[in-house]
Amino acid sequence: DQQVKQNSPSLSVQEGRISILNCDYTNSMFDYFLWYKKYPAEGPTFLISISSIKDKNEDGRFTVFLNKSAKHLSLHIVPSQPGDSAVYFCANTGNQFYFGTGTSLTVIP
Amino acid sequence: KAGVTQTPRYLIKTRGQQVTLSCSPISGHRSVSWYQQTPGQGLQFLFEYFSETQRNKGNFPGRFSGRQFSNSRSEMNVSTLELGDSALYLCASGSGAGNTEAFFGQGTRLTVV
Repeated sequence: DQQVKQNSPSLSVQEGRISILNCDYTNSMFDYFLWYKKYPAEGPTFLISISSIKDKNEDGRFTVFLNKSAKHLSLHIVPSQPGDSAVYFCANTGNQFYFGTGTSLTVIP
Repeated sequence: KAGVTQTPRYLIKTRGQQVTLSCSPISGHRSVSWYQQTPGQGLQFLFEYFSETQRNKGNFPGRFSGRQFSNSRSEMNVSTLELGDSALYLCASGSGAGNTEAFFGQGTRLTVV
């Protein structure tokens, strides 16, 4: 039973453009959401988070949006850079972390 | 401050053998969680230990077990290895409080032949 879903396994974007990664969740009790970035052969690194009391959180080029009524969150990267090419996982935490299956982002120079 | 350390980084085992993986969390962190990553499956939660007690458990067979020591270091054991156990095993360190991020180690790549 997938609590957190990332329906796009891959995404390609031109350098300088916006990357939008999407994530859906099923459990309305989730109240804290996170995005992690993962390079091959490395562990995931924490990127940005959002609490359910907010609908937006920004950190530099990264913005996470939360739409509680749609049970949807998205990560916007503007402008996208080649170094952003990685797999991105969304996650929520209740009593444990639930991760999506990841979206592989490729930023084309 | 040192990050999360997982050993070994790479491991090759034969079907039927058993394996033990180790994770040293960030100093001061009392929670260690273990995940299995396989292609197309994302990160599957195995279990979480907090202050030497298993606090949460995922849907993995009993062949997967773990423990945590008083210094918060954790080990994960897999017995009677199967080919399908080949994966990247990641551990994550956290304070154990709710609504906080976890910090991952680089993982142990286990290959079962």
